[in-house]
Amino acid sequence: ETGVTQTPRHLVMGMTNKKSLKCEQHLGHNAMYWYKQSAKKPLELMFVYSLEERVENNSVPSRFSPECPNSSHLFLHLHTLQPEDSALYLCASSQDVQGALETQYFGPGTRLLVL
Amino acid sequence: GQQVMQIPQYQHVQEGEDFTTYCNSSTTLSNIQWYKQRPGGHPVFLIQLVKSGEVKKQKRLTFQFGEAKKNSSLHITATQTTDVGTYFCAGRYSGGSNYKLTFGKGTLLTVNP
Repeated sequence: ETGVTQTPRHLVMGMTNKKSLKCEQHLGHNAMYWYKQSAKKPLELMFVYSLEERVENNSVPSRFSPECPNSSHLFLHLHTLQPEDSALYLCASSQDVQGALETQYFGPGTRLLVL
Repeated sequence: GQQVMQIPQYQHVQEGEDFTTYCNSSTTLSNIQWYKQRPGGHPVFLIQLVKSGEVKKQKRLTFQFGEAKKNSSLHITATQTTDVGTYFCAGRYSGGSNYKLTFGKGTLLTVNP
């Protein structure tokens, strides 16, 4: 499945580093999402973009900064992260945000380890 | 807040045995989706249930949506080693943002060959 791609697949960073996660969708969708997946916790929605506009910022700390330059690309800029931010970060896309029957398609994720 | 409870958290079966995972919400859902995540992989959409009492089948997988649209189940008949993974339900609530899926914690299925 190559509809939604993410890079890098693995990332190790120190607490003072700045890094960015990249997501690209090739499905012609208008909506893109960032999720955090931690062990033993449900998937947590972080951000939602619809046609490059942010429609949801789910009380995420400011050390996570999203960017959506166009409807195919989504970035998550990381700086001064904490060890508890270590998790799998998943990008997803859907046709739109308004449809009640929308399906979300997930990328392979970036496994992040903060030391 | 709205939560979807999913049980069991883990299930280990012998190949050929059946498996069921359950999701329950305290408030009515507008629809529910099921995803599968293989070890080291990402969630992959399986199916969506919309109507009260709906039952859908995909080969050995049977999905049900409760009459009150508050619970759902996924049943796998005669499990195979390829069924290994975590199965998540994700519900949508009426009156909420349509893009917001509330995920259960998932059930990790392991199958002994």
